[in-house]
Formats: sequence, C-alpha cells, structure tokens
Amino acid sequence: DADVTQTPRNRITKTGKRIMLECSQTKGHDRMYWYRQDPGLGLRLIYYSFDVKDINKGEISDGYSVSRQAQAKFSLSLESAIPNQTALYFCATSGQGKAFFGQGTRLTVV
Amino acid sequence: RKEVEQDPGPFNVPEGATVAFNCTYSNSASQSFFWYRQDCRKEPKLLMSVYSSGNEDGRFTAQLNRASQYISLLIRDSKLSDSATYLCVALNSGGYQKVTFGTGTKLQVIP
Repeated sequence: DADVTQTPRNRITKTGKRIMLECSQTKGHDRMYWYRQDPGLGLRLIYYSFDVKDINKGEISDGYSVSRQAQAKFSLSLESAIPNQTALYFCATSGQGKAFFGQGTRLTVV
Repeated sequence: RKEVEQDPGPFNVPEGATVAFNCTYSNSASQSFFWYRQDCRKEPKLLMSVYSSGNEDGRFTAQLNRASQYISLLIRDSKLSDSATYLCVALNSGGYQKVTFGTGTKLQVIP
C-alpha cells in the first residue's frame, strides 16, 4: 500500500462546482501539504498543516480551503471551481525533512 | 523572489555525458537539503539527501555551499533513464520544519 493515498486520481468537473480532494497517509507524520503543479511552474504550495490544529496558507491559497480531519487526513476543497484551477494536485507528508508524495490528482475544470 | 530557485532547463545531453544542476536558496535558516526526481505525470520521489561535506551515490554527487547558499547535483555517465525533472528541496530549521521545493530542472538524455 502507498504511504500517501489521494482520491480521486482523475476528475473532470464543471465551472462553479464544489469539489473535494482527499488525502490520507500512513507514515504517522504530523506535517502535510497540498501542492499544485502546472507545466513550467513547478510545484506551488497551496496549504500546509503541521498538526491537526494548525492550518497555514501557502503561496497560492486563494480559491482553495483545507481541512485537517485527523493526523492522517488532509483534504483540499475548491468551493467554486474555475478553469484555471485545472492542474495536477499533489498531497505530501514530511518527517525528518523527507517528503513523501501521493500519486497525484489530475483535475480538469471545464 | 522564490525561496528555492532552479534553472528550469531543459538540459538536453547525450548519453554518457556529465551534467550538473545548481539550485539557490534565499532563506539562511534552511538547514537540510534534498534532491528529488520526478518522472512525467508521476509524483516526486526522493533521490538523495545533501550533506555539508558533499555526498555521492553511484553516478550522482550532491554538494552544498552554505556561504553562497546553493546546492548542486552532478550526474556522471548519463543514462537514458535519467531523463526526468530534478527538484531541489530545502528544509527550514525550527520547530516547524517546512519543506520548500524548487520548480525543478528538466533533463533529457539523448541517445
């Protein structure tokens, strides 16, 4: 089983719809992250959380929200999806400096 | 300015060549550094840690220069399978150790 699991793996949604991307990890780490990746822009941090009661905005948090339901779970929501949120989304967890990624969610907003 | 910066490339090199990537970081509180590899449409995976004294893993050598705030990755005898994007990572010190990624350098090894 993967250390970090993201669901769904692929999703096509319409503009204006609410969508949630889920992430769970079995590493037992406190720190979790959500990134998006666009061609030519690399990984950009959306939100991060250092424990269950800690939520921090990353560099591109507008239009997104997160929930840290438990140490192992960190979900990302798009309240009203727009086409420029079409991207590859990665969840990650880190411990002792090393990051472990989920396999990514390819989201398309039409 | 981004905290961690890399030349996006692409670096197109022939098989067998030696290629080097540099990465600069702006946060002097960064304490630990890593190189990650990302294949197309896949998640990034840890390639190697970077130690102050420099370290080697087979054909890969990583170096850290704290005075100039950069790290490097050297790949010798490039293989076709080395084609990927290489991400530089810095870990900040302190109670909350935030992992910061560079945007990556794309390497294409050509037959």
